[in-house]
Amino acid sequence: KNQVEQSPQSLIILEGKNCTLQCNYTVSPFSNLRWYKQDTGRGPVSLTIMTFSENTKSNGRYTATLDADTKQSSLHITASQLSDSASYICVVRNNNAGNMLTFGGGTRLMVKP
Amino acid sequence: DTGVSQDPRHKITKRGQNVTFRCDPISEHNRLYWYRQTLGQGPEFLTYFQNEAQLEKSRLLSDRFSAERPKGSFSTLEIQRTEQGDSAMYLCASSLGTYSSTDTQYFGPGTRLTVL
Repeated sequence: KNQVEQSPQSLIILEGKNCTLQCNYTVSPFSNLRWYKQDTGRGPVSLTIMTFSENTKSNGRYTATLDADTKQSSLHITASQLSDSASYICVVRNNNAGNMLTFGGGTRLMVKP
Repeated sequence: DTGVSQDPRHKITKRGQNVTFRCDPISEHNRLYWYRQTLGQGPEFLTYFQNEAQLEKSRLLSDRFSAERPKGSFSTLEIQRTEQGDSAMYLCASSLGTYSSTDTQYFGPGTRLTVL
């Protein structure tokens, strides 16, 4: 069964600190992995996308890594800001499922002043 | 605003009533998706359309749920005889529908349904 597991479920950090969110997946065959940011009451917004051959990708203060051998990804947030408070969802696309996506449960991040 | 829009944003209904939600995708997008998201969970796929054709439906989409996209533009999701378990955020997304593996889905703000 295709699954995406994220940890931690929730995280509280102080403004300016760094943090790393984890994603493990069992989706096969793998097509690509995205990290989405979802503000409360809003739809998810794509942050990064990585294909099989990509190990790391940055988008401003967000850096995603991918280890396709161990089927793990991480999202590192540098110098956190209050506006980073949101849920971060790891999403994996399966080549056998058309454009179907398997979503993780998300990590709820709260950045405190 | 040229993003995906959904209407209404919030809906409160009594158990047993029917509800209908609308999604307007980004204008040139061929694919349209419906997802359901409960509190603290990631979205779960319900169904998707390629133009007006409904190509796949999840097992989550019971016979009380029906979705349409009659002219390949906007879509509606109807839930008949609502149950308290239907309470969730219903998200719509659209994409160009290219065969590229990086075809990006853009999400709307969602419709939050509360069944009393």
